[in-house]
Amino acid sequence: DGGITQSPKYLFRKEGQNVTLSCEQNLNHDAMYWYRQDPGQGLRLIYYSQIVNDFQKGDIAEGYSVSREKKESFPLTVTSAQKNPTAFYLCASAQQGDLYEQYFGPGTRLTVT
Amino acid sequence: RKEVEQDPGPFNVPEGATVAFNCTYSNSASQSFFWYRQDCRKEPKLLMSVYSSGNEDGRFTAQLNRASQYISLLIRDSKLSDSATYLCVVTFNSGGSNYKLTFGKGTLLTVNP
Repeated sequence: DGGITQSPKYLFRKEGQNVTLSCEQNLNHDAMYWYRQDPGQGLRLIYYSQIVNDFQKGDIAEGYSVSREKKESFPLTVTSAQKNPTAFYLCASAQQGDLYEQYFGPGTRLTVT
Repeated sequence: RKEVEQDPGPFNVPEGATVAFNCTYSNSASQSFFWYRQDCRKEPKLLMSVYSSGNEDGRFTAQLNRASQYISLLIRDSKLSDSATYLCVVTFNSGGSNYKLTFGKGTLLTVNP
């Protein structure tokens, strides 16, 4: 089945540790995105990539890093520099075109204590 | 003015009711418009794309008013399973192949038996 997978579903880390969240898609989509969602808030864009080996900062990139070495994969690293890392992280992908509909993975809930 | 603003909600309606959500956007160059639904602690899922001429999918009708910069979603004969948060999403081309999606904070709908 085509889709987007994120792992793990739940992740717990101690403050000061870097952590990498996985996102894989087999939809052959060119573009991939990372968002975070906090309670009562809308989705906020962290990073996005329109093509392999290229990515751009979104609205809240500080404390995060990404790579796009393969079309299918767009891992996100939450570094110790991120002040409030506890959140629901969502990965999405889209095929470039007129409508540009985004499809989301199931998300990873990160808790940092 | 916020980029995308939705009815704050929450909406509590009985089964069978008709409910309407409104969303306004600030960027007149916005190109694509969507409604997503998000169940509690799950990822957003695309409900409908919104076309200029308006479109209908079963009990759901979406409309776009470019002159007034708002979109709407109407749900007729609401079901218990319609209970979710509804997200308004607006896209515009920020240059070249870069598309930016902006999400509203969402409106929570609870359909009661």
